[in-house]
Amino acid sequence: DTAVSQTPKYLVTQMGNDKSIKCEQNLGHDTMYWYKQDSKKFLKIMFSYNNKELIINETVPNRFSPKSPDKAHLNLHINSLELGDSAVYFCASSPFDSGANVLTFGAGSRLTVL
Amino acid sequence: GNSVTQMEGPVTLSEEAFLTINCTYTATGYPSLFWYVQYPGEGLQLLLKATKADDKGSNKGFEATYRKETTSFHLEKGSVQVSDSAVYFCALSKVTGGSYIPTFGRGTSLIVHP
Repeated sequence: DTAVSQTPKYLVTQMGNDKSIKCEQNLGHDTMYWYKQDSKKFLKIMFSYNNKELIINETVPNRFSPKSPDKAHLNLHINSLELGDSAVYFCASSPFDSGANVLTFGAGSRLTVL
Repeated sequence: GNSVTQMEGPVTLSEEAFLTINCTYTATGYPSLFWYVQYPGEGLQLLLKATKADDKGSNKGFEATYRKETTSFHLEKGSVQVSDSAVYFCALSKVTGGSYIPTFGRGTSLIVHP
């Protein structure tokens, strides 16, 4: 039973298209995140939600829009895809009230924009 | 703001060699410190953590000690195996504005040869 699951695992699309990546966690965690990992493995936080409320919104183009219908789901929608959006996107979750909030990551969604 | 600095990789070692990956951090107060590991094609997973000064985290033969005086959390293993080949991320977590903000280093790739 996967703790944090992302779909799709691979996504290949053309520039200008709109795409979504879905994320679900069954750990009962309060906080969910989206990270972008580039080809050099650098991890950049994009968004964080706590109980469906946006708490981190880093400098990310507004073509990226997160949506959290409930605290177990955090989806990422990307409009007008650009070549530079090609990366691996990781969803993660963590408990909110822990003194050391360990993140549980999904397996990643590799987005390739042609 | 908070930041984490890791030694650049790749680190290339022979099997059974001693491993050190350096990590230093910048943060006010007392953050929690973590090492995560990312195996090829997978998401990050927690390797070990420490929540206060002088704590030692350990797991799978790896260990790291939280050194407040040198703001460091270096990862060590006495005898590496080929299966340890992965990317290692140092991270810190600290409450900011009522939320836990996780900050990751750039990752250090480890390659272990037989």
